[in-house]
Amino acid sequence: EAGVAQSPRYKIIEKRQSVAFWCNPISGHATLYWYQQILGQGPKLLIQFQNNGVVDDSQLPKDRFSAERLKGVDSTLKIQPAKLEDSAVYLCASSLDGGGNTGELFFGEGSRLTVL
Amino acid sequence: AQSVTQPDIHITVSEGASLELRCNYSYGATPYLFWYVQSPGQGLQLLLKYFSGDTLVQGIKGFEAEFKRSQSSFNLRKPSVHWSDAAEYFCLLTAYTGNQFYFGTGTSLTVIP
Repeated sequence: EAGVAQSPRYKIIEKRQSVAFWCNPISGHATLYWYQQILGQGPKLLIQFQNNGVVDDSQLPKDRFSAERLKGVDSTLKIQPAKLEDSAVYLCASSLDGGGNTGELFFGEGSRLTVL
Repeated sequence: AQSVTQPDIHITVSEGASLELRCNYSYGATPYLFWYVQSPGQGLQLLLKYFSGDTLVQGIKGFEAEFKRSQSSFNLRKPSVHWSDAAEYFCLLTAYTGNQFYFGTGTSLTVIP
């Protein structure tokens, strides 16, 4: 079974530039999550999709961050314009139906963003 | 409100020594609990999970964890640590009816020869 795929693995940009990250979840997984992990901290949920609808985006800085999940499969997270404090690893995860009764989160390897 | 606490930010153990990482949770009903490991530069990998039944659960890489409802704890243990176990460890909680996962702040493990 293929895992959660993310790209790019690494990205370096200057502040005020834009960047986009892509995630392809495990086939059949209805729920997709984007987390931001700043160095030395635990992951923070940015946005959660159930199929192609948003379940929770309360911690997404909507003035600069956007995300979409077209057709309920893969997803793109965009940052525009980037700030220095956006330097982090962006983790994508998926789960079968978002409920704890089915099991766990499956994580991709992450996309590491450095903003200069 | 649901929450997860990992009291130890950083732990150092000698290779071959035993390990226990603490996890305490706050939740009004029976939680679903997980331990994940994150090696440097990698995503998070599931070590083990507790849903119901036997309160002692076995995971991969020789890890085990014990759910103690009376203490609201789900501590991770390993009898003999290997150098490759050096990583960040996260405890997570979710609810049966929910679709949110609550992370602890993580415990960084260093293994010395």
